[in-house]
Amino acid sequence: NAGVTQTPKFQVLKTGQSMTLQCAQDMNHEYMSWYRQDPGMGLRLIHYSVGAGITDQGEVPNGYNVSRSTTEDFPLRLLSAAPSQTSVYFCASSNWPPTSSYNSPLHFGNGTRLTVT
Amino acid sequence: KNEVEQSPQNLTAQEGEFITINCSYSVGISALHWLQQHPGGGIVSLFMLSSGKKKHGRLIATINIQEKHSSLHITASHPRDSAVYICAAKKGEWETSGSRLTFGEGTQLTVNP
Repeated sequence: NAGVTQTPKFQVLKTGQSMTLQCAQDMNHEYMSWYRQDPGMGLRLIHYSVGAGITDQGEVPNGYNVSRSTTEDFPLRLLSAAPSQTSVYFCASSNWPPTSSYNSPLHFGNGTRLTVT
Repeated sequence: KNEVEQSPQNLTAQEGEFITINCSYSVGISALHWLQQHPGGGIVSLFMLSSGKKKHGRLIATINIQEKHSSLHITASHPRDSAVYICAAKKGEWETSGSRLTFGEGTQLTVNP
């Protein structure tokens, strides 16, 4: 199993450009999520999904779009990149709904480092 | 004030020392995660617990729901344990609030040989 695969690993954009960060998992996880990690701050949830066709906003959703057409894929779209979106982005997945023992660890991708100039 | 606070922010230890990293949270939670972020940036889930204690190898995680506090202990620390350790709290009831997590800022651990 590849686990959670994120592409690309690095990306540089100019202000106003759009792009899609890809996330795919092969563990048949219903729950998938996107986080951004900035210096001096903890990971912050952007969007999440509990199954195909179901998405919801997290803590910092502005400027980002998601869709979940399949269980495996959960792409994150930057509509019009801004320097404030310079960050490291992580995708994560887990079982959903959780088991009765709450044993649903998160599986993370290796991250995408995005710079917006 | 962050809802999830970790201490210390930075910790340097000698190989073999017993390590404790603390996590306090100010909201009701249903579960707490401990994560390890490697120097290369990858994040690995270490524990998820809602009560009591869990142990895996040299790692032990405890949680006290009443005191809103969790600790991660590393016994017989080793330089390969050097990483950022992050706690993340899941607020509210699992079924009603999905899997939203609030993360601490992380504790940078350096273990010297």
